[in-house]
Amino acid sequence: QVQLVQSGAEVKRPGASVKISCKASGYHFTSYYIHWVRQAPGQGFDWMAILNPNGGITRYTHKFQGRVTMTRDTSTGTVDMEVSSLRSDDTAVYYCARSRSSSSSPFDAWGQGTLVTVSS
Amino acid sequence: SYVLTQPSSLSVAPGQTAKITCGGKNIGSQSVHWYQQKAGQAPVLVVYEDSDRPSGIPERFSGSNTGDPATLTISRVDAGDEADYFCQVWDDGTDHWVFGGGTKLTVL
Repeated sequence: QVQLVQSGAEVKRPGASVKISCKASGYHFTSYYIHWVRQAPGQGFDWMAILNPNGGITRYTHKFQGRVTMTRDTSTGTVDMEVSSLRSDDTAVYYCARSRSSSSSPFDAWGQGTLVTVSS
Repeated sequence: SYVLTQPSSLSVAPGQTAKITCGGKNIGSQSVHWYQQKAGQAPVLVVYEDSDRPSGIPERFSGSNTGDPATLTISRVDAGDEADYFCQVWDDGTDHWVFGGGTKLTVL
């Protein structure tokens, strides 16, 4: 069955970086886009970035441009996201999700989420 | 940027019908997706492209989008439907995915 399995919770100091991984299985890895979405405590969802595993092309929202980097490894079916210069307001649960296309197609599978806590 | 507006909460008695709304400018011309998120869990897609259901989602879940607002309807609500529900659209103006703020459904 389709699964997106994310790496475990992280605690970071302000100014540090964090890398979260998302391992896909149960489908053809390069046939679906991978998104990163975050959810701050008690808040809604904030779409951050998208990667096309077929070629590795990425796009980041303006809010995260320059602080977020997505990479993929087609041999393992894994997508990583690194967030740098962490601030306290980056404390959130980060989810990866997949979609058939970059726009209009829904996110039909999600990872279990990774809690990132930024605290001094 | 495009804004999706949802009521923050809705309470429904078991067996009744819940209607969760999602408002936005010209939303009738958008393709709306709906997600259910139970406490401490990842979201699950329950309705896509306004009114289609993924396999495994009960027929009790239905969607419509004939104009502002779009609506997710849950018939014969039971305790297992208690969750947050979010709507989502693709904003062509900014090439961004946009989510509503979410509606917390409480089953009385």
